[in-house]
Amino acid sequence: DVKVTQSSRYLVKRTGEKVFLECVQDMDHENMFWYRQDPGLGLRLIYFSYDVKMKEKGDIPEGYSVSREKKERFSLILESASTNQTSMYLCASRERTGEWDEQYFGPGTRLTVT
Amino acid sequence: LAKTTQPISMDSYEGQEVNITCSHNNIATNDYITWYQQFPSQGPRFIIQGYKTKVTNEVASLFIPADRKSSTLSLPRVSLSDTAVYYCLVAVSGSARQLTFGSGTQLTVLP
Repeated sequence: DVKVTQSSRYLVKRTGEKVFLECVQDMDHENMFWYRQDPGLGLRLIYFSYDVKMKEKGDIPEGYSVSREKKERFSLILESASTNQTSMYLCASRERTGEWDEQYFGPGTRLTVT
Repeated sequence: LAKTTQPISMDSYEGQEVNITCSHNNIATNDYITWYQQFPSQGPRFIIQGYKTKVTNEVASLFIPADRKSSTLSLPRVSLSDTAVYYCLVAVSGSARQLTFGSGTQLTVLP
């Protein structure tokens, strides 16, 4: 059974803190994604990685960075957390293919920045 | 970049067929259409994908007219457990940069 896990389900951080969100997949997928989900806005792509050490910005990368040192792990970093980064963060992975886009999502991390 | 428009919410009763339409007027030749389902406190789950005409699997059907400017997800005989948010996604095959999720449709199935 395919699995994407995220390091925390709930996280509370203070403004200005450096925050790490970890995502691990066990499917040997090449592509991994970070989204944030806010009420009324759906899912918005922050960053994605199409292979180890390879990354590209999504639609809303400002205030975030990512790291992918190993194929199975994709980290989202908030260098200096702000209250407008309070959100649900979802990680996903996908097997690289030219014709199929089945992403497997983790359960999400609800981050609150106070 | 193809944007999508879906109804914000829909109500249905158990046993009925539900059709959710997604509008994507600027869809490009290489774009395909994917639908995901999301339950509360869970990540989205893939339902179905198509490029044109009709696609059917054990869960749903996807109807795409010839001009591909819209698509309709059809759920046969819904049950209470189909209550969820449904997302329409339009993307270039194999690309991640142009992934765009709509804001989703909250489907509520009533007894």
